[in-house]
Amino acid sequence: QVQLQESGPGLVKSSQTLSLTCTVSGGSISSGGYYWSWIRQHPGKGLEWIGYIYYSGSSYYNPSLKSRVTMSVDTSKNQFSLNLNSVTAADTAVFYCARGLTYYDSGGYRDCYFDLWGRGTLVTVSS
Amino acid sequence: SYVLTQPPSLSVAPGQTARITCGGNNIGTKSVHWYQQKPGQAPVLVVYADSDRPSGIPERFSGSNSGNTATLTISRVEAGDEADYYCQVWDSTGDHVVFGGGTKLTVL
Repeated sequence: QVQLQESGPGLVKSSQTLSLTCTVSGGSISSGGYYWSWIRQHPGKGLEWIGYIYYSGSSYYNPSLKSRVTMSVDTSKNQFSLNLNSVTAADTAVFYCARGLTYYDSGGYRDCYFDLWGRGTLVTVSS
Repeated sequence: SYVLTQPPSLSVAPGQTARITCGGNNIGTKSVHWYQQKPGQAPVLVVYADSDRPSGIPERFSGSNSGNTATLTISRVEAGDEADYYCQVWDSTGDHVVFGGGTKLTVL
């Protein structure tokens, strides 16, 4: 049974870089057809997609965060990571890693939904 | 970018039917996915590709999508269904994921 687990500091200082890692267990991150993703949720708010990375290293980011986000993948460790730089208090959130299952719908268009999520980790940005 | 609109809240009595809507421009041309999130927990996929259910999700959960509105329907609502529900689509114009703002379902 595949599981995802986020890890990283729970407290980051303002203007510094937030770094999180998601470890995939029970399956290979190199399995095709999945976009390994990061999603965050500000306290009391909705879900915000940050971006995803494919096992090959190709990635796509939310345009609103693109200038500050970098994702990477380490297939040897079965992990993928998130770096968010120049953080402020507005970046305080619960961060989830998730497995995005990709497929082509009946119209031949690519689609993606998240069939597996980590438990989430709260990251607080302090001044 | 593509916008999904959900009502902030919905209240339903036990045993009744809850219909949670997700509005978007020609959303009927996209596949819509739905997640349930209980307090302090990660979201769980309850419906994908408009109307399919993952294994383990009760048949009481169903979905539909047409025109400018997608709907998650929960039949015979139970106290345990009380949660936030989010719709999600893939915006193919930019290879982006879009979430709705979420609907808090209260079971009276």
